[in-house]
Amino acid sequence: NAGVTQTPKFQVLKTGQSMTLQCAQDMNHEYMSWYRQDPGMGLRLIHYSVGAGITDQGEVPNGYNVSRSTTEDFPLRLLSAAPSQTSVYFCASSYRDRTRDTQYFGPGTRLTVL
Amino acid sequence: KNQVEQSPQSLIILEGKNCTLQCNYTVSPFSNLRWYKQDTGRGPVSLTIMTFSENTKSNGRYTATLDADTKQSSLHITASQLSDSASYICVVSARRNRDDKIIFGKGTRLHILP
Repeated sequence: NAGVTQTPKFQVLKTGQSMTLQCAQDMNHEYMSWYRQDPGMGLRLIHYSVGAGITDQGEVPNGYNVSRSTTEDFPLRLLSAAPSQTSVYFCASSYRDRTRDTQYFGPGTRLTVL
Repeated sequence: KNQVEQSPQSLIILEGKNCTLQCNYTVSPFSNLRWYKQDTGRGPVSLTIMTFSENTKSNGRYTATLDADTKQSSLHITASQLSDSASYICVVSARRNRDDKIIFGKGTRLHILP
């Protein structure tokens, strides 16, 4: 099993550009989440999905979109990048319940917006 | 307000020494508490999970304790190794019916010196 994979590992954008961060898992997990990690702060939840076709907002959803067309993939779209979105982004998956089941994190995508 | 506070913010110890990291939380209703290890440039990896009824959990040289009455947890690392250099994140889950929350601490940065 590859676990949770994320691409790209690094990305530099200009303000106003759009892009998609890719996330895939091969563990047949139902629950997937996107977090951002900023210096001096704990991980913050952006969006999550409890299964294919179902997504919901986390605590910092503004400026981001998600979709979940398959169990395996959960891409995160930045609609119009802003410097405030400079961060490290982590995708995570868990079997069914993100509080009771272990969350497995991807290696992260380091995004810089100029 | 749900909060997870970790101390110290950073810690430097010599290889072979023991250390203890602290986590205080004000999360309700408490579901479980996890400790994660995050190596530089990587995603967090779960070390231990404890529910309300558990007060000690070990994973090799890592031992976590939980005092649900005082809402405190600690992570003790025995005979530290260079590979223990990482950030350690305390994560507390709250759950009421179908509503769940995961609150991440800001982490303790541990440096092991040879």
